[in-house]
Parts: sequence; C-alpha cells; structure tokens
Amino acid sequence: ILNVEQSPQSLHVQEGDSTNFTCSFPSSNFYALHWYRWETAKSPEALFVMTLNGDEKKKGRISATLNTKEGYSYLYIKGSQPEDSATYLCAADSNYQLIWGAGTKLIIKP
Amino acid sequence: NAGVTQTPKFQVLKTGQSMTLQCAQDMNHNSMYWYRQDPGMGLRLIYYSASEGTTDKGEVPNGYNVSRLNKREFSLRLESAAPSQTSVYFCASSEGRGVTDTQYFGPGTRLTVL
Repeated sequence: ILNVEQSPQSLHVQEGDSTNFTCSFPSSNFYALHWYRWETAKSPEALFVMTLNGDEKKKGRISATLNTKEGYSYLYIKGSQPEDSATYLCAADSNYQLIWGAGTKLIIKP
Repeated sequence: NAGVTQTPKFQVLKTGQSMTLQCAQDMNHNSMYWYRQDPGMGLRLIYYSASEGTTDKGEVPNGYNVSRLNKREFSLRLESAAPSQTSVYFCASSEGRGVTDTQYFGPGTRLTVL
C-alpha cells in the first residue's frame, strides 16, 4: 500500500493572500489523484480528480496540478477568503483503492 | 436528496459492548465504503462493498464486520468494542470503483469506547 504525504500539516494565511500546499505519493502504480475539501463539522467534499501527468484543474479561485513522474500534486488558492478555511485532503488511487493523506488544515486570518 | 446518511451521530460504549453503525445512500450508487479517521492520520478504509452482494476487507478490518443489506444500505458492526476503536467513522458511496469515481461522504459517527 502506497504512502501519501501532505505538507504542511497546517497553514495560517492572511485574508487576500494566495497560498499553496503539496501532496506527495509514490509515482509507481499510480492511477489517479483526488483532492477533497473538508470543513469543520461537515463531510469531505470532492474538489478535483486528475489522472494524467501535467493535468491542471480549476474551480473558481482554487486550482491543482499533477506531476505523476515525480509523484506530487499542488493545490493553489488565489486571494484566500475566510470561507476557504478547511482541511484539504488528497488521496491517491492505487489499484482501485484510495490511500488518503492526513490533510493540510488551512486557517484564513481576517 | 439526502445523499449519504449515518446513524447515530455520537455513541459512547463500554469495552466489550457491541453496536452497529448504519449507513444509507439515495444516489443509486453501486459502491459503498466504511472509513475510520484518527487524529493526525488519513482516512483508513475498513471495509468496502464494490456492488450489492459483495464485501471486501480494506486496510484495517480487524474487529469489524459489515453487511451490504441492499443497494442503499451498508452497516458496520463492532462485535466487542475496544478502546482502540475510539474514532470518527465515515461512510461513503460512489457510482462505481473506477479510479476517477468521486466518493460522497456521510456526516460521520463519533464513537468513544471507554
């Protein structure tokens, strides 16, 4: 079973600033990379799924990139807003099973 | 649509007691999952059901049993609870087991075993 690492563990960002964080996964036996957003007291919700090296996805101010050769994905948030405060989870699909990272907890300071 | 529902939301058990966590989805999904979430760790798969009538072990199945009662419902049973099973339990469902299939999560059950 592959290991998925996310960094940093937590991040405090001033409102209006842009930020990014990383998801690392073993590049062998890789099928897909998922990003989820998990707000406190709610359920995780899907943001993106990417499969191909060089994939980029965007939803509003949030975007993600994928590098399958070196085994990492970046999530970017442009112009952070208080509603972006959440834990961002990534999960790598290996052999049709999702392996989850521990998440990056993002706190936006007004 | 309610999506994925779980009951109960909270539960406190004594060591050795048993209980069943219930999960239901109304999205006509084929696949369902049970995860546990512990502080500082990623979601860990306990059991999954790829389709009605099938169940398979995930990463951490010991101490748990599951039943896929029908296409909508997937229950998780703790036969003899242990303090190590204190955790937040999430049920999820997806249309299928394809690598790009999105999983939809329930609200979670917070279980404490004393």
